[in-house]
Amino acid sequence: QVQLVESGGGVVQPGRSLRLSCAASGFTFSSYAMHWVRQAPGKGLEWVAVISYDGSNKYYADSVKGRFTISRDNSKNTLYLQMNSLRAEDTAVYYCARGRNYYDSSGQYDAFDIWGQGTMVTVSS
Amino acid sequence: DIQMTQSPSSLSASVGDRVTITCRASQSISSYLNWYQQKPGKAPKLLIYAASSLQSGVPSRFSGSGSGTDFTLTISSLQPEDFATYYCQQSYSTFTFGPGTKVDIK
Repeated sequence: QVQLVESGGGVVQPGRSLRLSCAASGFTFSSYAMHWVRQAPGKGLEWVAVISYDGSNKYYADSVKGRFTISRDNSKNTLYLQMNSLRAEDTAVYYCARGRNYYDSSGQYDAFDIWGQGTMVTVSS
Repeated sequence: DIQMTQSPSSLSASVGDRVTITCRASQSISSYLNWYQQKPGKAPKLLIYAASSLQSGVPSRFSGSGSGTDFTLTISSLQPEDFATYYCQQSYSTFTFGPGTKVDIK
């Protein structure tokens, strides 16, 4: 079945790095844009980054720009998030999500139709 | 950047009630608006895309409307499994989520 499984979360000290992975199965991974979304404890959802289906285009939230890097390996059906210079405010559950394009007479619309179960990242000394 | 607001931030309702949640964008986003449902400890689930299109498999009691800056999610008859937090999201310029509306049991 269509599935996304995140891994790589854990406890890390401020200023250190961590790499998250998201393994995709059940669909043609290389045909879809992919996103990272995070949720701090007790808080709402925050979009983090997106990468196009072929990896040629990447966009980031201002809060992570210059510190986080999104990448993908279509041969391994895997999405990554390299997180550097981590801060306490990066503490959150990190979800990967599939970006789906929907079309009608008015244009193309993007939404996140498949989500992983999330992986927790805690930044603390 | 486009900012999203939702009202109310929380509401209490009973099974069978009609529930309406409002989402407002800081600038016009046409129909680039999605709605998600999230239950505690679970990943979000896509309900509505393009402001009013029902995602496959989502019950027809959910509906969305609006365009420009003002949008609405309506649950026509609240069911026990609908108690959750609902988020709107704009996809007009990158992506921004609203702060969420928690629907709990009266």
